[in-house]
Amino acid sequence: AQSVAQPEDQVNVAEGNPLTVKCTYSVSGNPYLFWYVQYPNRGLQFLLKYITGDNLVKGSYGFEAEFNKSQTSFHLKKPSALVSDSALYFCALFSGGYQKVTFGTGTKLQVIP
Amino acid sequence: EAGVAQSPRYKIIEKRQSVAFWCNPISGHATLYWYQQILGQGPKLLIQFQNNGVVDDSQLPKDRFSAERLKGVDSTLKIQPAKLEDSAVYLCASSLIKGARGYEQYFGPGTRLTVT
Repeated sequence: AQSVAQPEDQVNVAEGNPLTVKCTYSVSGNPYLFWYVQYPNRGLQFLLKYITGDNLVKGSYGFEAEFNKSQTSFHLKKPSALVSDSALYFCALFSGGYQKVTFGTGTKLQVIP
Repeated sequence: EAGVAQSPRYKIIEKRQSVAFWCNPISGHATLYWYQQILGQGPKLLIQFQNNGVVDDSQLPKDRFSAERLKGVDSTLKIQPAKLEDSAVYLCASSLIKGARGYEQYFGPGTRLTVT
């Protein structure tokens, strides 16, 4: 069985400060990891993904994430938070030959002006 | 390119009634997903199609939910009969398998279902 954990229901950060949204996973085999963002009353949007290669991946809107195999983590980061980054963030895991997919429970990011 | 289309956007029904949702994926996307997202939770995969075949329906309540993807393009998700706990947003997504944009899911706007 595979699983994704987002240990923080909510993260608060001041505008201009760096932000981190945490994600850990459990799977047998190689993971494909994704981050999605959901703004109020809107569908989920793809931010970035790790498939293979460089452990640091860069995505949309200045976000990046670091894949850490030993810690089974894929934390989302941004050097300087914007108020407009306030949204719900989901980590997702794909694995297996048929690419079974599991989403985390989501982390609400609140950027305080 | 056009995005994932879903209809209707909103639906209110009484318990024990039936309801159907429609999804048209992005052209050329072989994989189609239906998710249930209850308020405050992450999307829960209901069913995943590869072309017109089912690859994962382990979390689909098969006594009341059904889905089909005829001709490997658009798809319909049906609930019959609906229960109060089915109130949720039903999301459809599609993806490519290979290439630079492989596995990235593109989500439709969702259908918000309220069962009274």
